[in-house]
Amino acid sequence: GESVGLHLPTLSVQEGDNSIINCAYSNSASDYFIWYKQESGKGPQFIIDIRSNMDKRQGQRVTVLLNKTVKHLSLQIAATQPGDSAVYFCAENYGAGNMLTFGGGTRLMVKP
Amino acid sequence: DGGITQSPKYLFRKEGQNVTLSCEQNLNHDAMYWYRQDPGQGLRLIYYSQIVNDFQKGDIAEGYSVSREKKESFPLTVTSAQKNPTAFYLCASSSYGAGGTDTQYFGPGTRLTVL
Repeated sequence: GESVGLHLPTLSVQEGDNSIINCAYSNSASDYFIWYKQESGKGPQFIIDIRSNMDKRQGQRVTVLLNKTVKHLSLQIAATQPGDSAVYFCAENYGAGNMLTFGGGTRLMVKP
Repeated sequence: DGGITQSPKYLFRKEGQNVTLSCEQNLNHDAMYWYRQDPGQGLRLIYYSQIVNDFQKGDIAEGYSVSREKKESFPLTVTSAQKNPTAFYLCASSSYGAGGTDTQYFGPGTRLTVL
């Protein structure tokens, strides 16, 4: 399948600042995207998802933006907290059935 | 972790041994998946099952086997044919298999180490 990638492997932010994690996808036919958070030694945790008929979706302190023109996905975390420190993965749905392709991940480090 | 459990949390294997990793879900999900994660890398699909008694190979199925005899269970066997099995193994499930798109939810993972 086509790949999903991330621009920045590591992002360091100050506690209280907003964080933006970016993801580029290459399969223009993908119609569903998910952001996951993975803490060390644990399984990925669902954060937020978005379908291709939407440009923006908001959750609690998180917003996902989808730009289909340039095939770009971003995750915005408001008022970043130490507990947000983790690796964040984007994933896109591809092909037949509910199959996902995962990006390589971005590590978010929150400085107190 | 939701309603997905994996056991054991840590597993050690001697070379030449087969080992089986357990994955159980009580979410009534049709589809289940096994992924492998190597340090600092993303997830790669090993096998998936969209319905009971059926499963398909993923991107890196060589050296692995699965079964899906019950809806709630999808065990993964790492065989001696897998040359580099040391990794973090993740099981996931979702509501839909071939019938649509939906979020995959993950278990806590099993860390397998070959001695």
